[in-house]
Amino acid sequence: KAGVTQTPRYLIKTRGQQVTLSCSPISGHRSVSWYQQTPGQGLQFLFEYFSETQRNKGNFPGRFSGRQFSNSRSEMNVSTLELGDSALYLCASSWAGGLVEQFFGPGTRLTVL
Amino acid sequence: AQTVTQSQPEMSVQEAETVTLSCTYDTSESDYYLFWYKQPPSRQMILVIRQEAYKQQNATENRFSVNFQKAAKSFSLKISDSQLGDAAMYFCAYRSARGNDKVIFGPGTSLSVIP
Repeated sequence: KAGVTQTPRYLIKTRGQQVTLSCSPISGHRSVSWYQQTPGQGLQFLFEYFSETQRNKGNFPGRFSGRQFSNSRSEMNVSTLELGDSALYLCASSWAGGLVEQFFGPGTRLTVL
Repeated sequence: AQTVTQSQPEMSVQEAETVTLSCTYDTSESDYYLFWYKQPPSRQMILVIRQEAYKQQNATENRFSVNFQKAAKSFSLKISDSQLGDAAMYFCAYRSARGNDKVIFGPGTSLSVIP
């Protein structure tokens, strides 16, 4: 069974630009969560989608948005990039919530210059 | 709001020895789930072990076991017979059992294994 895939793996953008990151969950998984990981702030929850609906949302500005498609693939968009948005963005999928394990992708390393 | 704290930013252990990583959390809920995740350098995060709050018995997965103290809101991870491959960042995580709430991660503990 293929794992969670994220594209692209590395991205370099400049301030003010926008970026879209993609996540393909494990087949059959309906929940996709996004996290931002930085050395200073650790792992911070961005949002979770379940069956195309945003189920949970973290404390990030409106520049961060996401969506999920009918095949459970998810995209995350960041508009008007700031230097502080440089981070590893992780996607995790699971078939449901609760005690169910989340499977993480390798992440997308975003650098904002 | 729930919080997860890991008071040891860095730990080291001699190969074949035992190490315990600490985790405390704050919640007003009685039903929840706790996890330990491992993130090796430049590799994907994987689940190490999980625990349901209503279970008094501590979870065990091979060399990994937890000491779950619900009253103290403590959830430590013990790694026995440490191996070089155990070197990684370890994250403690909390999830409410109420309606598929989000997972909250602690800041992580970087574990080094000394050969």
